Amino acid sequence: DQQVKQNSPSLSVQEGRISILNCDYTNSMFDYFLWYKKYPAEGPTFLISISSIKDKNEDGRFTVFLNKSAKHLSLHIVPSQPGDSAVYFCAASVFQGAQKLVFGQGTRLTINP
Amino acid sequence: NAGVTQTPKFQVLKTGQSMTLQCAQDMNHEYMSWYRQDPGMGLRLIHYSVGAGITDQGEVPNGYNVSRSTTEDFPLRLLSAAPSQTSVYFCASSGGGGGTEAFFGQGTRLTVV
Repeated sequence: DQQVKQNSPSLSVQEGRISILNCDYTNSMFDYFLWYKKYPAEGPTFLISISSIKDKNEDGRFTVFLNKSAKHLSLHIVPSQPGDSAVYFCAASVFQGAQKLVFGQGTRLTINP
Repeated sequence: NAGVTQTPKFQVLKTGQSMTLQCAQDMNHEYMSWYRQDPGMGLRLIHYSVGAGITDQGEVPNGYNVSRSTTEDFPLRLLSAAPSQTSVYFCASSGGGGGTEAFFGQGTRLTVV
């Protein structure tokens, strides 16, 4: 039972354009959603998070949108840069005395020059 | 600033052997956890700890043991390695819950033959 799903295994975007990565979830108890970026042979690194009581959070070129009624969130990267090429993981958590993250399968983003 | 350090980076085991994956963090974080990443499945939580002396099971705990005798260290023990435990293992630490950034180590790539 996959509680967090990223249905697009890969995405290719031209440099300078907007990249939109999508994520769906099923558990309405999740109270935080996070995006991580992963380069090959490295651990995931945190990008941005959003509380379930908000619908938007922005940090520089990265914006996360949350649609609770649709159980859907998206990460927008504007403008996309070659260094953004990586695998992006969506994660969700229910804080029960500890941070226990539930990850999606990941989306490989390729930025083309 | 080391962050989260995992050793070894690579390991090959024979079926039935045991080993310990080491994880250390220097950020004085309360929360530490172990995840495994398998192709097409994202990261899945194995075990986690909310402080020295306190551990609990995650989503996929079978075949693994953990202990936390200090704030800094959180080793993961494979009791009797099986080919199904071939995976990339990541240790993470966090200073809080919910949307707090979790810091990941570089990973240990384990192959069980």
